[in-house]
Amino acid sequence: SQTIHQWPATLVQPVGSPLSLECTVEGTSNPNLYWYRQAAGRGLQLLFYSVGIGQISSEVPQNLSASRPQDRQFILSSKKLLLSDSGFYLCAWCPFRAPNNEQFFGPGTRLTVL
Amino acid sequence: RKEVEQDPGPFNVPEGATVAFNCTYSNSASQSFFWYRQDCRKEPKLLMSVYSSGNEDGRFTAQLNRASQYISLLIRDSKLSDSATYLCVVNMRGGSQGNLIFGKGTKLSVKP
Repeated sequence: SQTIHQWPATLVQPVGSPLSLECTVEGTSNPNLYWYRQAAGRGLQLLFYSVGIGQISSEVPQNLSASRPQDRQFILSSKKLLLSDSGFYLCAWCPFRAPNNEQFFGPGTRLTVL
Repeated sequence: RKEVEQDPGPFNVPEGATVAFNCTYSNSASQSFFWYRQDCRKEPKLLMSVYSSGNEDGRFTAQLNRASQYISLLIRDSKLSDSATYLCVVNMRGGSQGNLIFGKGTKLSVKP
């Protein structure tokens, strides 16, 4: 069966520090991968998605970047964190060419920028 | 108009009650529809897909009205464990492109 992992689970970082969040998927090949952010009291916002190694699409302009160095690895990064980057970061996967785009989420990383 | 709108609640209901959530979406070309459940400080989990003919999974019934751009979720015989936030989700473009749009969720609290 497929599983999705994210780490770290929680993170407290100072403003201006770098960020690296990692997501890995097991039990599937060539998944579509997604990064979302959920700010307090707000809905999920899609940040990036990837349909393959090295292929990244950005949905909103922002202070963050994403990379997919391996088929089942998706990384979210920032060079300098802002206070507004605080939130709950969720990685999700979807089977390749799934007709309905049902997505399955990892446990998330709760980021607080101080 | 927001892309996916839900009543934020909270809905406070006694155990055993029937509760219904509604959701409207703005893009008439939307292709597929889902309900996700999110427990406090946890990730969303897929509850069920919503099909044009309506579908049922145990105590849960989902319905879609394309003409009115309206989705509903009915929960019968509510359990304490049903307490969570229910997210209405719409796939605007179809296929596996990154176009799931999430509503902000409706909070349900089931009391003894």
